Amino acid sequence: AQSVTQLGSHVSVSEGALVLLRCNYSSSVPPYLFWYVQYPNQGLQLLLKYTSAATLVKGINGFEAEFKKSETSFHLTKPSAHMSDAAEYFCAVSDQAGTALIFGKGTTLSVSS
Amino acid sequence: KAGVTQTPRYLIKTRGQQVTLSCSPISGHRSVSWYQQTPGQGLQFLFEYFSETQRNKGNFPGRFSGRQFSNSRSEMNVSTLELGDSALYLCASSLSSGIPSTDTQYFGPGTRLTVL
Repeated sequence: AQSVTQLGSHVSVSEGALVLLRCNYSSSVPPYLFWYVQYPNQGLQLLLKYTSAATLVKGINGFEAEFKKSETSFHLTKPSAHMSDAAEYFCAVSDQAGTALIFGKGTTLSVSS
Repeated sequence: KAGVTQTPRYLIKTRGQQVTLSCSPISGHRSVSWYQQTPGQGLQFLFEYFSETQRNKGNFPGRFSGRQFSNSRSEMNVSTLELGDSALYLCASSLSSGIPSTDTQYFGPGTRLTVL
């Protein structure tokens, strides 16, 4: 069965610093992986997705993630944090049918000036 | 293109009542999924519909049900509400015609249900 673990429920960075949000997955089949962001009182917005093409995936707002099969990881990074990046981030893996997303517990990113 | 819309945005009910939530997908999307978000359990998959048929179901009791109409709009119903049903209910739509699918799920803003 597919599952996702996000390491660190809360990450704090300074504006301009590197953002690194960690995600490890477990999957019995080649996984489809996603990162979503949720701002307060809003739904989820897709940042990027991995579907077995390039292992380095570029998303919106300067975020990117690298699929590492040997480490079963799909960490999200951004070179320079902005105040507007403060939000909750969710890593997800698709189930085998591709009709359901299995989410991690989420990581809240705080950005200080 | 308009996004996924959910109505109502906020709802307050009392224990034992039932509730119906509505979701209108992005035009052209035939797959609609529902998720429950709570502080304790996080985001959990409820069910998915495609062309009026339930294709997938999560691990929730039978009090939770859904349906999809011919225009792809979907409703979910929760009967005999419990305090623990208080949550943000999110709807997502995608093209997702074949299985397996890599199509992106686009989420609506959610319906905040409070059970008193």
